[in-house]
Amino acid sequence: GENVEQHPSTLSVQEGDSAVIKCTYSDSASNYFPWYKQELGKRPQLIIDIRSNVGEKKDQRIAVTLNKTAKHFSLHITETQPEDSAVYFCAASIKEYGNKLVFGAGTILRVKS
Amino acid sequence: DAGVIQSPRHEVTEMGQEVTLRCKPISGHDYLFWYRQTMMRGLELLIYFNNNVPIDDSGMPEDRFSAKMPNASFSTLKIQPSEPRDSAVYFCASSRWTGLGAEAFFGQGTRLTVV
Repeated sequence: GENVEQHPSTLSVQEGDSAVIKCTYSDSASNYFPWYKQELGKRPQLIIDIRSNVGEKKDQRIAVTLNKTAKHFSLHITETQPEDSAVYFCAASIKEYGNKLVFGAGTILRVKS
Repeated sequence: DAGVIQSPRHEVTEMGQEVTLRCKPISGHDYLFWYRQTMMRGLELLIYFNNNVPIDDSGMPEDRFSAKMPNASFSTLKIQPSEPRDSAVYFCASSRWTGLGAEAFFGQGTRLTVV
């Protein structure tokens, strides 16, 4: 089945700097790649997603890139702010399995002010 | 819509007792997922349903765990008997099939503590 690996497990950046989190997936049939943010004690919530027919997507300070050949995708956060501190999860799904999402292990992002 | 609703929010029980977690998905969603979250194992998919039918329960850790979805608006996850290692946050999530993958909306979670 699908396997998603996520790096790094923790990331510390200075406020205003950029943060990059990377994920790789194993099944080339994967076609949907969402990113979730989970604040302490709260539920995971979608922040951005990308589908396999697109190479890049941007929404204000966050962007996601997808390299289907290498089977990896990345989350980029620019001009980080303290409120960006949270756990970020990448995920992947394969159309034949419907909406089943396989999550990466998560990255703890700390933005130091 | 009020979103995915889970109950209870917190549950403390003694080892050996039966625990039932409940979930009401978003109306119109045809997928329902049960996840378990721990520091050690992250977000694990336990089981998911499509149109109330269990599709994949390979993530259910043991026979002590069971899940049902009697109708489109309700699902339960039961642990019997419970053990201290079952302590975790259990999330229910739902989504609607769009043909190309879709956002999963998570409930607030149930924090289970087995003592």
